[in-house]
Amino acid sequence: NAGVTQTPKFRILKIGQSMTLQCTQDMNHNYMYWYRQDPGMGLKLIYYSVGAGITDKGEVPNGYNVSRSTTEDFPLRLELAAPSQTSVYFCASSTPGLAGGGEQFFGPGTRLTVL
Amino acid sequence: AQSVTQLDSHVSVSEGTPVLLRCNYSSSYSPSLFWYVQHPNKGLQLLLKYTSAATLVKGINGFEAEFKKSETSFHLTKPSAHMSDAAEYFCVVNADYKLSFGAGTTVTVRA
Repeated sequence: NAGVTQTPKFRILKIGQSMTLQCTQDMNHNYMYWYRQDPGMGLKLIYYSVGAGITDKGEVPNGYNVSRSTTEDFPLRLELAAPSQTSVYFCASSTPGLAGGGEQFFGPGTRLTVL
Repeated sequence: AQSVTQLDSHVSVSEGTPVLLRCNYSSSYSPSLFWYVQHPNKGLQLLLKYTSAATLVKGINGFEAEFKKSETSFHLTKPSAHMSDAAEYFCVVNADYKLSFGAGTTVTVRA
């Protein structure tokens, strides 16, 4: 199993550009999450999904959008990139989900810089 | 609401000496608690978790943590540090379907 994979590993965007961060998991997990990690800070939840077709906002959703058309994929979309979105983005998946205390499996991260 | 406070932003230890990373939490619900480790330029790896079973939890690589409800603490310990333990450590609380991360503790290990 590859686990949770993310692409790209690194990206530089100009202000106002858009991009999609890809996340795929091969563990058949229902729950998937997107986090951002700013320097010297813990991870903050952007969006999460409890299954295909179901998504919900986390702590810092502004400026982002997500979709979940399949169990495996959970892409994160930035529509109008801003310097405040410079961060490292982590995708994670889990089962049986947060309430059950399920372990989350993390991808290697995408380092995004907006100039 | 829930939150996590890691009391030390940086811990430096000598190889072979004990490691203590302190974590306090607040939660309106009975929480699940985790410790994750992040090596440089890597994703997060679960060290151990507490989910209302035994209060002393053993994890990977010789780490363990004790849940103390009266003190709202979940401190992480290891009896003897190894050079490979140099990393960032995050205490995480899970309650009400949301995860809250502490700011992290950077551990450096001196030879």
